[in-house]
Amino acid sequence: AQTVTQSQPEMSVQEAETVTLSCTYDTSESDYYLFWYKQPPSRQMILVIRQEAYKQQNATENRFSVNFQKAAKSFSLKISDSQLGDAAMYFCAYRSLNSGGGADGLTFGKGTHLIIQP
Amino acid sequence: NAGVMQNPRHLVRRRGQEARLRCSPMKGHSHVYWYRQLPEEGLKFMVYLQKENIIDESGMPKERFSAEFPKEGPSILRIQQVVRGDSAAYFCASSPAGGTRYEQYFGPGTRLTVT
Repeated sequence: AQTVTQSQPEMSVQEAETVTLSCTYDTSESDYYLFWYKQPPSRQMILVIRQEAYKQQNATENRFSVNFQKAAKSFSLKISDSQLGDAAMYFCAYRSLNSGGGADGLTFGKGTHLIIQP
Repeated sequence: NAGVMQNPRHLVRRRGQEARLRCSPMKGHSHVYWYRQLPEEGLKFMVYLQKENIIDESGMPKERFSAEFPKEGPSILRIQQVVRGDSAAYFCASSPAGGTRYEQYFGPGTRLTVT
């Protein structure tokens, strides 16, 4: 079974600065998807960015980018020019290309609480 | 196009009562996933359903929990004889079809409190 580990329970960054959130995962599969989700106090899960494992190029979405290191099974999220609205829990998630046995669902890490200091 | 709807948003039940959580997928979506989020934890997959079919329930507790997605109406997650350990946020997600390339869109969740 796959596991996702987020080793930083909480991170703090000054507004307008850059912050990197860490995520590692364990899998024996060669193809899969990785995601970062944002969960603000409203608790709504919002997709931030997605990476297909077969793509070597790191995904970017405006101020959000990832550093995907497949051999190291690492998938970190970089937030540039941090804004107050970025304050939230951030979850790293894995999805297998297989089906059945729970593979259809996303496997989430425990999350990192991001605090933005004004 | 309305997003995934879940109701109620908050539900309080006494130990031993039944809890029914409803999820209406996005328009045109026929696949539903249920997740549970315990305090200070990430979401954990519970069950994956298509209309009138349970595809994968490997994450569901073996007793007291059941899920359905009828031909008409919302998907229902049912918890019988609730216990304090069932207190959690329950999220539903939907997708237009199965398979990895289809993104799962999440609802706002139902927070269940068992007293």
